[in-house]
Amino acid sequence: KQEVTQIPAALSVPEGENLVLNCSFTDSAIYNLQWFRQDPGKGLTSLLLIQSSQREQTSGRLNASLDKSSGRSTLYIAASQPGDSATYLCAVGKTSGSRLTFGEGTQLTVNP
Amino acid sequence: GAGVSQSPRYKVAKRGQDVALRCDPISGHVSLFWYQQALGQGPEFLTYFQNEAQLDKSGLPSDRFFAERPEGSVSTLKIQRTQQEDSAVYLCASSSTLFDRNTIYFGEGSWLTVV
Repeated sequence: KQEVTQIPAALSVPEGENLVLNCSFTDSAIYNLQWFRQDPGKGLTSLLLIQSSQREQTSGRLNASLDKSSGRSTLYIAASQPGDSATYLCAVGKTSGSRLTFGEGTQLTVNP
Repeated sequence: GAGVSQSPRYKVAKRGQDVALRCDPISGHVSLFWYQQALGQGPEFLTYFQNEAQLDKSGLPSDRFFAERPEGSVSTLKIQRTQQEDSAVYLCASSSTLFDRNTIYFGEGSWLTVV
C-alpha cells in the first residue's frame, strides 16, 4: 500500500526566505506526483503536476522536483511571502485516472 | 459556474440521521472523485466515476456510504445512519479526461459534523 509522508508537519519562516518542503513515498511505481495548496476552510488548488518521466516542474516562484527511484519530491518556494501561508499537500497517482494518495501536509506560516 | 460546486457547505447531523452531499463538477468533466478529509489530515480517497460508471469504490469505509452519478454529471454521496467518526470534510474533484496530463479541480468541500 502506498504511503506518503511529508516533512516537516509545520514550518514558520520570516518573509523573503527561500524554503523547501519534502515529500516521500514508499512505492516508486507512480504515474505522477502533484503538489496542492489548501487554505483554511477551502478546497485544494493544484500547484504543480510532475509526470513520472519528468524530473521537475516550475511555476513562478515554485519549483517541484521528483526523484522517482528514491521515492522523493521537494517543493521549493523562493522569496516567500505572507500570502504563501497555507497547507501544502503532496499526492501521488499510481496509474492514469486513478486515485491520489495524499500526505498529511505541511502547514506553512510566512511571517511579515 | 466555473468551478466544482458542492452543497451543502456545512451540515450538522444527529447520530443515526441520513445525509446526502451533492457535487456539481465542471461542465464536461469526465472524471469525478470523492475524498474524505479529517481534521489535520490529508484527503483519503473514497470513490471514482468515469462518466456514470463507478470504476472504483474501494475507499468507501462501510456499506453505509453510497455514491452515484446517474447521468454522468452531478454526483451525490449518501451516508446512512451517520456516526460520529463520519465527521469530516467531504471533497469532490473533477478532471476533463482520465487524470493524465490534465489538472484536477477540487470543490471547497462539504463540512459534516455528526453530533
